[in-house]
Amino acid sequence: GQSLEQPSEVTAVEGAIVQINCTYQTSGFYGLSWYQQHDGGAPTFLSYNALDGLEETGRFSSFLSRSDSYGYLLLQELQMKDSASYFCAVRFRGDYKLSFGAGTTVTVRA
Amino acid sequence: EAQVTQNPRYLITVTGKKLTVTCSQNMNHEYMSWYRQDPGLGLRQIYYSMNVEVTDKGDVPEGYKVSRKEKRNFPLILESPSPNQTSLYFCASSSGGPPDTQYFGPGTRLTVL
Repeated sequence: GQSLEQPSEVTAVEGAIVQINCTYQTSGFYGLSWYQQHDGGAPTFLSYNALDGLEETGRFSSFLSRSDSYGYLLLQELQMKDSASYFCAVRFRGDYKLSFGAGTTVTVRA
Repeated sequence: EAQVTQNPRYLITVTGKKLTVTCSQNMNHEYMSWYRQDPGLGLRQIYYSMNVEVTDKGDVPEGYKVSRKEKRNFPLILESPSPNQTSLYFCASSSGGPPDTQYFGPGTRLTVL
């Protein structure tokens, strides 16, 4: 399937800002989604970018640049509860399959 | 409460013994899919269904079967499980249109000995 690349791990302290990049190899997709998964839990939807630009939802923001073939999730004012894995995902045009990145494990330290 | 349910949550079985993992959603979603999650590989789509009687392969369909006889149910069938199918399985549903938010079930941890 199509591949999405993310860093495998990020560590930061409480109150810091973390940016998780997601790069891809194709331009034909409907939009970029982000999901959060706590250890032992199910993935839950965080945000979606249909168009280029920034989408803000509280402490979390997501950005998409189709011309640069990448997006990112920005986690601000990090809290211990933000320790989790974060996945980017796309549905490519002409194909109803959904592809996820391998995920980025964020560890927040006191 | 809107939800996706899966059963069983945990299953240990032996090679070759047919099994079915059930998935049900109460949101009237058209799109349903199955994923497996393995360390370092993220979520990989096994099969998906756009509607009743419409199913298609995802990225890793080998060794699995699905059916969609009713809109709310989407069972995953392993006819002859093998140890390489030991994994964490998630069922998900969505309305199918943008933003195409996937609602995941709680997961089924399968071990094939």
